[in-house]
Amino acid sequence: KAGVTQTPRYLIKTRGQQVTLSCSPISGHRSVSWYQQTPGQGLQFLFEYFSETQRNKGNFPGRFSGRQFSNSRSEMNVSTLELGDSALYLCASSGPGLGEQYFGPGTRLTVT
Amino acid sequence: DQQVKQNSPSLSVQEGRISILNCDYTNSMFDYFLWYKKYPAEGPTFLISISSIKDKNEDGRFTVFLNKSAKHLSLHIVPSQPGDSAVYFCAASERNYGQNFVFGPGTRLSVLP
Repeated sequence: KAGVTQTPRYLIKTRGQQVTLSCSPISGHRSVSWYQQTPGQGLQFLFEYFSETQRNKGNFPGRFSGRQFSNSRSEMNVSTLELGDSALYLCASSGPGLGEQYFGPGTRLTVT
Repeated sequence: DQQVKQNSPSLSVQEGRISILNCDYTNSMFDYFLWYKKYPAEGPTFLISISSIKDKNEDGRFTVFLNKSAKHLSLHIVPSQPGDSAVYFCAASERNYGQNFVFGPGTRLSVLP
């Protein structure tokens, strides 16, 4: 079974721009969660999508949004980028029920 | 306020010995816990889980212990191998709230040959 894939792996953007990151979950997994990892804050939960609906949301501003498609693929969008948005963005998928999450390799976003 | 704490930022252990990584949590509603390890430039890799109805779960060299009254869990790796050198994260969730995991800050384990 293929693992979780994320594209792109690396991205450099300028302050004020917007960015869209993509995540393809493990086949059959319907839950996709997004996390931000920074050296100072560690891994922080952004949101979770299940069957195209946002099921959970962390404490991030509205500039961070996401969506999930009928094939469970998910995208995350960040608008009006700030320097502090530079981070590793990880998505994780999980199967039926509540259980362990499987992470992708992440997208390294640098905002200059 | 950190709900999940890993108070040791780093740990060094000799190859073949036991590694013990600790994790404390403050939210008594957490009832499901995971351990992940992470190598640089990779996403976290799931290691082992435990639900609050158990106090121990074992998988090969990895054992997780949960002490609910102390709100403490630990991961034991026996015997430790150089390939175990990585950052280890514990994560906790309230299962009724879906896949919303709170992660600790991580402990960097170095296994010395």
